[in-house]
Amino acid sequence: QVQLQESGPGLVRPSDTLSLTCAVSGYSISNSDWWGWIRQPPGEGLEWIGYIHYSARTYYNPSLKSRITMSVDTSKNQFSLKLSSVTAVDTAVYYCVKKGPHSTYFDLWGRGTLVTVSS
Amino acid sequence: QSALTQPPSASGSPGQSVTISCTGTSSDVGGNSYVSWYQQHPGKAPKLMIYEVTKRPSGVPDRFSGSRSGNTASLTVSGLQADDEADYYCSSYATSNILFGTGTKVTVL
Repeated sequence: QVQLQESGPGLVRPSDTLSLTCAVSGYSISNSDWWGWIRQPPGEGLEWIGYIHYSARTYYNPSLKSRITMSVDTSKNQFSLKLSSVTAVDTAVYYCVKKGPHSTYFDLWGRGTLVTVSS
Repeated sequence: QSALTQPPSASGSPGQSVTISCTGTSSDVGGNSYVSWYQQHPGKAPKLMIYEVTKRPSGVPDRFSGSRSGNTASLTVSGLQADDEADYYCSSYATSNILFGTGTKVTVL
């Protein structure tokens, strides 16, 4: 059974960098799939952040592009997100996801992790 | 690029049908086949219900169906059940971006 599990600090200071990792189990991250991140502020809707191929090719949300870095570690079967210069508006539940092949739907989601930006 | 527009709420009695709309533009919903729908129960991660406008992933009941007319996509839930009570989000590809809808809360009366 394929599972995704997010991990990282639950509290980040304003202006710092948010760092999250998603561990993939039951499936090889190198199986030519794309892996990504979606976030949801408390009580609000979903926002696509970006996704990365195991070869390290990336696509980012244009509105966040300047602050995002995604990476993949095939040896650990995991991928990561860094979001720099965070403010309170970056407070959200962050989900790691698997993108469907040759399309833009997300067929597998992690349980999500709440990241709060506060001093 | 703005979020896709969905009605804030929809409701129906058990056994009835409910249809949720998702309105965008010719640059997103009306311009490609990459429209998908997600169901989200409180405190849970979203679950893919429909992809590529009309396709159902394995395991999703055929009570859920998708369609599109022009720049508006729709999700219909037939034979409403108590467990269908949830938030529903549409999503569409939009030229180097992926947009989500504003979300619709479905209540089973």
